[in-house]
Amino acid sequence: AQSVTQLDSQVPVFEEAPVELRCNYSSSVSVYLFWYVQYPNQGLQLLLKYLSGSTLVKGINGFEAEFNKSQTSFHLRKPSVHISDTAEYFCAVSDRGAQKLVFGQGTRLTINP
Amino acid sequence: KAGVTQTPRYLIKTRGQQVTLSCSPISGHRSVSWYQQTPGQGLQFLFEYFSETQRNKGNFPGRFSGRQFSNSRSEMNVSTLELGDSALYLCASSVGQSGIKTEAFFGQGTRLTVV
Repeated sequence: AQSVTQLDSQVPVFEEAPVELRCNYSSSVSVYLFWYVQYPNQGLQLLLKYLSGSTLVKGINGFEAEFNKSQTSFHLRKPSVHISDTAEYFCAVSDRGAQKLVFGQGTRLTINP
Repeated sequence: KAGVTQTPRYLIKTRGQQVTLSCSPISGHRSVSWYQQTPGQGLQFLFEYFSETQRNKGNFPGRFSGRQFSNSRSEMNVSTLELGDSALYLCASSVGQSGIKTEAFFGQGTRLTVV
């Protein structure tokens, strides 16, 4: 069975500082990997996805993530955060061809001025 | 184009009652998935429908059921509500059967409170 571990439940950073949100997954098959963001009282919005190809994936709002197969990781990074990045971030995995997403527990990113 | 629409946004029900939530996917999307989000369990997959057929089901009791109509709109039903069913229920739509290769678009959710 697949599982996703987000190593930090909360990450506080100062505005304009870099940030990394960590995600590790376990799966016995090839997977697709995703990062979603959830703003308060909202649904989920896709930030970026890894399907195949280049292991460095660029997404919206200046975020990027790197797929590391040997480490089974898919960490999310942003070089300089803004107050508007305050939200909860979810890493998710799915079997190739499957529709079901398995989510991590989420990381709450708090930006301090 | 219009996004995924979930109705109602908020709902309060009493233990033992039943509830029906609705999801209208993006036009042209044929796959609809449902997720339950709670502070304790996080986001958990309920089920997925494609062309009116349930293709995948999560580990939830039979009190949770769903269906999809010919216009791809989907409903989920929870019978004999329990306090633990209080959650944000999210619906996601995507284009087709290999939909995971395309983006799953989420609605804003229905916040169900059971009292």
